[in-house]
Amino acid sequence: DQQVKQNSPSLSVQEGRISILNCDYTNSMFDYFLWYKKYPAEGPTFLISISSIKDKNEDGRFTVFLNKSAKHLSLHIVPSQPGDSAVYFCAASPSSGTYKYIFGTGTRLKVLA
Amino acid sequence: ETGVTQSPTHLIKTRGQQVTLRCSSQSGHNTVSWYQQALGQGPQFIFQYYREEENGRGNFPPRFSGLQFPNYSSELNVNALELDDSALYLCASSLYVNTEAFFGQGTRLTVV
Repeated sequence: DQQVKQNSPSLSVQEGRISILNCDYTNSMFDYFLWYKKYPAEGPTFLISISSIKDKNEDGRFTVFLNKSAKHLSLHIVPSQPGDSAVYFCAASPSSGTYKYIFGTGTRLKVLA
Repeated sequence: ETGVTQSPTHLIKTRGQQVTLRCSSQSGHNTVSWYQQALGQGPQFIFQYYREEENGRGNFPPRFSGLQFPNYSSELNVNALELDDSALYLCASSLYVNTEAFFGQGTRLTVV
């Protein structure tokens, strides 16, 4: 039972253009969402988060949008740079109990120079 | 300020053996979580420790156990290793239970 889904295993984008990575979730108890980036042979690196009281959060080139009614969130990277090439994981957490993260399976982003 | 460090980075064990993985949390962080990442999958939550007490557990059998020490470092122990335990094991620490977790580089365990 995959509660957090990233349906696109890979994405290629030209340098300077926008990258849009998508994530869907099924559990309405999730109210805190995060994006992590992972390079080979490294642990995941925290990028940006959003709580369910917001529908948008920006940090530099990275913006996360949350659509609670659709149970959907997306990460926008503008402009995309070759150094952004990595696997991106979406994660979700419930508001109570253990603050464990439920991760999606990841999307491999390749930014072409 | 040092980040999360894990040891060893790589390990090969034989089926049926036991293994201990170690994690030093980021300075000031009192919460440590362990995740298992199989090939092609996202990390899966094993358990979390908060101030030396287990604070939740994922869907893993009892042969996966852990400890957190007074300095907030942590160990993950796996008994009776199975081939399917081969994975990247990630440790993450956070300032509190409900703040962003910062991950170590992981320990790659191979069971043969």
